[in-house]
Amino acid sequence: ILNVEQSPQSLHVQEGDSTNFTCSFPSSNFYALHWYRWETAKSPEALFVMTLNGDEKKKGRISATLNTKEGYSYLYIKGSQPEDSATYLCAFNTGTASKLTFGTGTRLQVTL
Amino acid sequence: GAVVSQHPSWVICKSGTSVKIECRSLDFQATTMFWYRQFPKQSLMLMATSNEGSKATYEQGVEKDKFLINHASLTLSTLTVTSAHPEDSSFYICSAKQGGSYNEQFFGPGTRLTVL
Repeated sequence: ILNVEQSPQSLHVQEGDSTNFTCSFPSSNFYALHWYRWETAKSPEALFVMTLNGDEKKKGRISATLNTKEGYSYLYIKGSQPEDSATYLCAFNTGTASKLTFGTGTRLQVTL
Repeated sequence: GAVVSQHPSWVICKSGTSVKIECRSLDFQATTMFWYRQFPKQSLMLMATSNEGSKATYEQGVEKDKFLINHASLTLSTLTVTSAHPEDSSFYICSAKQGGSYNEQFFGPGTRLTVL
């Protein structure tokens, strides 16, 4: 059984704060690590697919890093805005045909 | 691009009835669709993988006779919860794989099922 853990479970920050959260996954048989943003009543939105150790990807104010040897990925949000409020999910898979195993998510709330 | 719709968004039904949930890829063809279930404060758990034109592959512990999956076209998969019971009340969400590598999936908005 693959175990994907995310921390913290929830986070409450003020507008303008920068924040980060962690996704831990098995370091063996790594193929890809996915990050999704999931706003209430909407579809989860794909943010990043991370595949190479040391990878760093950026999309606007959001960036992510990957360490496959130690089995973790960080998601960073710079200058948080209220519209960043969502649950951030990571998912791990071991091969092109393998299923995604999800963490329970980090729920971020950004207030004015 | 890569939009997936899901209907209905919520449904309430009586115990013993069957409920059908539709998942459609609107702007791409999806050879593979996935069905997940999420219980409160838990992660998305894969129930089954659905390939167009073939039988679905169910995860361990998921009853295939209870959760019927049909993937009749490259843009539509359906999940039917047969003889629903209160313990089937959950959030069901589908995703579709567009092709290419890394198993990138695009999700529908989900269906909240409540069985009375």
